[in-house]
Amino acid sequence: AQTVTQSQPEMSVQEAETVTLSCTYDTSESDYYLFWYKQPPSRQMILVIRQEAYKQQNATENRFSVNFQKAAKSFSLKISDSQLGDAAMYFCAYRSATGTASKLTFGTGTRLQVTL
Amino acid sequence: SAVISQKPSRDICQRGTSLTIQCQVDSQVTMMFWYRQQPGQSLTLIATANQGSEATYESGFVIDKFPISRPNLTFSTLTVSNMSPEDSSIYLCSARGSGRTEAFFGQGTRLTVV
Repeated sequence: AQTVTQSQPEMSVQEAETVTLSCTYDTSESDYYLFWYKQPPSRQMILVIRQEAYKQQNATENRFSVNFQKAAKSFSLKISDSQLGDAAMYFCAYRSATGTASKLTFGTGTRLQVTL
Repeated sequence: SAVISQKPSRDICQRGTSLTIQCQVDSQVTMMFWYRQQPGQSLTLIATANQGSEATYESGFVIDKFPISRPNLTFSTLTVSNMSPEDSSIYLCSARGSGRTEAFFGQGTRLTVV
């Protein structure tokens, strides 16, 4: 079974600075997807960024980018120019690319605080 | 991206009663899922809601406790039956469209059982 590990329960960053959230995963599959979701106090899970395992290029969405290291099974999220609205729980998630019914497996989350 | 409406957004219920949570998607989707998020914890998949057939439950979750319906490609319900305080959690509906990589989520239902 696949597992996702987030080793940082909490992180803090100053506004306008850069922070990196760590995520590692364990799988025997070669084709899969990785995601970062954000959950603010409103509870809604918001997709931040996704990465297809077959793509070597790291995904980027505005201020958010990932460092995907397939051999090391590492998938970190970098937030540049942090804003107060970035404060939230961040969950790393894995999904197999095999089968239409494949489900998301989530890590335990990292709580990000943004300070002035 | 799909817009998912979930209701109620929160409820306080007496133990021994049941609550049905509704999930409506603004477009037809292939897959719908129900998750539980206990206080301060990550998301745990309860079941996959299958259109026109019985849901597929994850280990530790049973149909008698969490009956699920999915009458069409845009709507699903989750019932939490015979509730106890241990059922106090956030319940989230999720959906993924055909051929899509990502899943989207409703805003969640915060359930408190007293």
